[in-house]
Amino acid sequence: AQSVTQLGSHVSVSEGALVLLRCNYSSSVPPYLFWYVQYPNQGLQLLLKYTSAATLVKGINGFEAEFKKSETSFHLTKPSAHMSDAAEYFCAASNTGFQKLVFGTGTRLLVSP
Amino acid sequence: EPEVTQTPSHQVTQMGQEVILRCVPISNHLYFYWYRQILGQKVEFLVSFYNNEISEKSEIFDDQFSVERPDGSNFTLKIRSTKLEDSAMYFCASSEGTGPQETQYFGPGTRLLVL
Repeated sequence: AQSVTQLGSHVSVSEGALVLLRCNYSSSVPPYLFWYVQYPNQGLQLLLKYTSAATLVKGINGFEAEFKKSETSFHLTKPSAHMSDAAEYFCAASNTGFQKLVFGTGTRLLVSP
Repeated sequence: EPEVTQTPSHQVTQMGQEVILRCVPISNHLYFYWYRQILGQKVEFLVSFYNNEISEKSEIFDDQFSVERPDGSNFTLKIRSTKLEDSAMYFCASSEGTGPQETQYFGPGTRLLVL
């Protein structure tokens, strides 16, 4: 069965520093991959998704993620963190034949001045 | 921008009571979903719904749960007799099409507390 692992329940960075949030999937067949962000008291908002068209995917708010099949990874990055990036980030995967999303445990990003 | 809405935002109920969680999906979407997140755990898929039928469900979605689209705009999740372990955040989502590449748009969630 598909599973998604997010390393680090909390990641702290300083404003202006690189953001790196890690996501690994377990599947012999590369899945479709998604990053969602959740701000306090809001729903999950799609940041970006990988659907096999390109391995480097650009999303909203300056985020991007690179699909690496050899590492079964889909890490999320942003060159320079802003205070407004503080939120919880979820990596999710889906596979052909299924509609459901399988989520990781989430990573809370803390940004300090 | 269209969004998925959910009511209520919070609900407290007694064990054994029935609860109905309500969702209004994005208006032109045809596929609807419920997920839940128990505190400190992963977001878990419960059920997907299309054309007035369940199209996929997880092992969590047992006979205590049911879903319904009672009219052209609402999508509901009913828990027939709540248990303590049903306490969680429940998210509704919708998508325009089906398939694993489709983006699912999520509502803000209903936090359910069963006492």
